[in-house]
Amino acid sequence: RKEVEQDPGPFNVPEGATVAFNCTYSNSASQSFFWYRQDCRKEPKLLMSVYSSGNEDGRFTAQLNRASQYISLLIRDSKLSDSATYLCVVNLGSTGRRALTFGSGTRLQVQP
Amino acid sequence: GAVVSQHPSRVICKSGTSVKIECRSLDFQATTMFWYRQFPKQSLMLMATSNEGSKATYEQGVEKDKFLINHASLTLSTLTVTSAHPEDSSFYICSAAHPTVGYTFGSGTRLTVV
Repeated sequence: RKEVEQDPGPFNVPEGATVAFNCTYSNSASQSFFWYRQDCRKEPKLLMSVYSSGNEDGRFTAQLNRASQYISLLIRDSKLSDSATYLCVVNLGSTGRRALTFGSGTRLQVQP
Repeated sequence: GAVVSQHPSRVICKSGTSVKIECRSLDFQATTMFWYRQFPKQSLMLMATSNEGSKATYEQGVEKDKFLINHASLTLSTLTVTSAHPEDSSFYICSAAHPTVGYTFGSGTRLTVV
């Protein structure tokens, strides 16, 4: 079983749509959680951290359910520029001591 | 701050030759760097953890004699792919943890072995 599982997509949505991505992780000892965005042939860039209380950054909302080992990302009012691969990422240890563990990503294509 | 510079960004080499990839932390000291590999449409997979002044720790299935890692200073880690073969063609990317910003990534190296 993969440590971090995501639906690969692609999700094809029209501009302005709301889209949700889900992710599950296998190790209950995971300590921190993130969503990264990766554009084609580029390095991943941090989109947002994910907290148990849920957190929002503009059009993006992330949720964490530790009991279910489930992470979600909601994108509202999709823009063409949101087209990318979204990576669910967990960290088993404290920052810097352990490498991040990446899901294989969910591809989003926002269409005009 | 928190910039990791990775070079080269793209390299094409002949089968059997070696390729060196460099990652430098430009404005902070990185005692630990992580090296990942990403095949098309797949996840970033950790290859090894590079520790300044000591031997790297390799993930299961990664040949340490083929992927040589050197972390001789607090700002530089190198990955050398020795005797490269076409199956080594991939996107290699390094990462370091900045003390306040968190994980930061190099821009990646696209290796093509012909």
